[in-house]
Amino acid sequence: NAGVTQTPKFQVLKTGQSMTLQCAQDMNHNSMYWYRQDPGMGLRLIYYSASEGTTDKGEVPNGYNVSRLNKREFSLRLESAAPSQTSVYFCASSEVGGGNTIYFGEGSWLTVV
Amino acid sequence: QKEVEQNSGPLSVPEGAIASLNCTYSDRGSQSFFWYRQYSGKSPELIMFIYSNGDKEDGRFTAQLNKASQYVSLLIRDSQPSDSATYLCAVIVDSNYQLIWGAGTKLIIKP
Repeated sequence: NAGVTQTPKFQVLKTGQSMTLQCAQDMNHNSMYWYRQDPGMGLRLIYYSASEGTTDKGEVPNGYNVSRLNKREFSLRLESAAPSQTSVYFCASSEVGGGNTIYFGEGSWLTVV
Repeated sequence: QKEVEQNSGPLSVPEGAIASLNCTYSDRGSQSFFWYRQYSGKSPELIMFIYSNGDKEDGRFTAQLNKASQYVSLLIRDSQPSDSATYLCAVIVDSNYQLIWGAGTKLIIKP
């Protein structure tokens, strides 16, 4: 059982480049999330998708876009990367909303130079 | 601004002792509280959750909730070196059931 799978694990980008982080879950969960984690700041929600076909902004959406491609997949796109977007990104999923256990992917370490 | 506060640590505890981790939250309407463990370089994993005032025990772990004082704590009995990790507190604060996360407390268990 793979759970939540996200790619790539590591990426170095130059300022202004674009990239997409891919995420897929095989637990038939309705809700999916993208978080970023920075030292001393905890997890901050970028975007979430409560169900297939819907997406909503979280706490720190600026500079990002998302696509809920189907029930399994939820991608995060950086259109024009900035050094402030250097972070660890976690994709996660849950049955319905945050009141149920959230399962995380292994993380994607992104450095923007 | 809805906040969840944790002491960043590190909290150093001798092996076999009780580790006590605390978390305070600002929104009196918060209903659900979660403790996650995160090893260095890994993703968070759920330890336990608590909804009602009082204590909830699961093996060596006990979560304590005091809504009047707006704090939730996690006790780890018989601490083991493998418990060394960062512990994240998370709270549901709105009708969309989104979690607000504390920054975490780094726990070090010394053999």
